[in-house]
Amino acid sequence: DVKVTQSSRYLVKRTGEKVFLECVQDMDHENMFWYRQDPGLGLRLIYFSYDVKMKEKGDIPEGYSVSREKKERFSLILESASTNQTSMYLCASSFGRGPYEQYFGPGTRLTVT
Amino acid sequence: DQQVKQNSPSLSVQEGRISILNCDYTNSMFDYFLWYKKYPAEGPTFLISISSIKDKNEDGRFTVFLNKSAKHLSLHIVPSQPGDSAVYFCAAREDDKIIFGKGTRLHILP
Repeated sequence: DVKVTQSSRYLVKRTGEKVFLECVQDMDHENMFWYRQDPGLGLRLIYFSYDVKMKEKGDIPEGYSVSREKKERFSLILESASTNQTSMYLCASSFGRGPYEQYFGPGTRLTVT
Repeated sequence: DQQVKQNSPSLSVQEGRISILNCDYTNSMFDYFLWYKKYPAEGPTFLISISSIKDKNEDGRFTVFLNKSAKHLSLHIVPSQPGDSAVYFCAAREDDKIIFGKGTRLHILP
């Protein structure tokens, strides 16, 4: 079974802090994704990556950056957390460049106060 | 502008009956469609998918229908079971991106 793990289930940070969300997958998937889920807005893509050291902006990249130094690990960075970044963050991975389904982690509920 | 629309935020269905979840899209370049199911405090899990060159795909109790001319797809669950109560997301693929709808919460009533 594919396993996607996220470093924290719940996180509380203060406005202005730098926040790191880590995601690790164990199935040697090429593709990794970061989404945020907000009530009434569904899942919105923040960033994705198709290979080590590669990254592409999604629909809402502002205020975020990412890092992919190893194939299995994809990090989401909030350079200076703000209250409007309070959300559920979901990491996903998938195989290859085809229309393969994504496997999601359990999510990190981030609260910025 | 939303490219993938799930116009029903919620749906209640009696256990044993058919659940039909609907999804509309606007982008004719989508070439693949997927349905995901999400329980509270968990990540979404993949359910079923369909290529744009097909009009039906079936997997056990789950069937997805695609009507390209209407830019509409639907997920049928027969028979509905209590464990089907969850949020269902419709998603569509274009090039390297997958775009999700806002989700429909399905309640299965005893």
